[in-house]
Amino acid sequence: EAQVTQNPRYLITVTGKKLTVTCSQNMNHEYMSWYRQDPGLGLRQIYYSMNVEVTDKGDVPEGYKVSRKEKRNFPLILESPSPNQTSLYFCASTGGSRSYNEQFFGPGTRLTVL
Amino acid sequence: AQSVTQLGSHVSVSEGALVLLRCNYSSSVPPYLFWYVQYPNQGLQLLLKYTTGATLVKGINGFEAEFKKSETSFHLTKPSAHMSDAAEYFCAVSVGTSYDKVIFGPGTSLSVIP
Repeated sequence: EAQVTQNPRYLITVTGKKLTVTCSQNMNHEYMSWYRQDPGLGLRQIYYSMNVEVTDKGDVPEGYKVSRKEKRNFPLILESPSPNQTSLYFCASTGGSRSYNEQFFGPGTRLTVL
Repeated sequence: AQSVTQLGSHVSVSEGALVLLRCNYSSSVPPYLFWYVQYPNQGLQLLLKYTTGATLVKGINGFEAEFKKSETSFHLTKPSAHMSDAAEYFCAVSVGTSYDKVIFGPGTSLSVIP
């Protein structure tokens, strides 16, 4: 089954404690993104990757890091989480040319930073 | 730059009534337009998309949307609401055929009243 998986689904942590949210896709997609969803703001792109070892900032990259060492995986790293990073996070992937940027989303990770 | 507005952050309809969710976009070039649905505790899934060709697009679960270039709109409709349609709906716009940014609207929460 074609899918994007994220782990963990729910996470409660404290300010300053480094965490990683994993994302994996099995569709051989080159393009992957991380979004955060906040009420009234829709989805905002944090980082994206166009291929292995190629990443770039989205609209709200502050406080986040990513890496793309393998095509299927795109982890999101919060090295020193703060309460304003409490949010719902989605990983997404997009297929190749002529995909018109249709996004395939993971199930989401709800993060609470105390 | 592209942008998306969705009129009404919350819409309530009676079961069996018409569903109309509004989306307007701005884009300097011909856009590709999407509607995504997010059911509680799930990721976003594609309802329908407009890329080229026929301006009336049919999607899953009986939804359809019409691209109106003169009105820069892509409103989502369904003739008869079902309880299972209660969800968050996001309109999105992209301008590239591949690996280009997707801009999401703020979302509309649809409630269906029995």
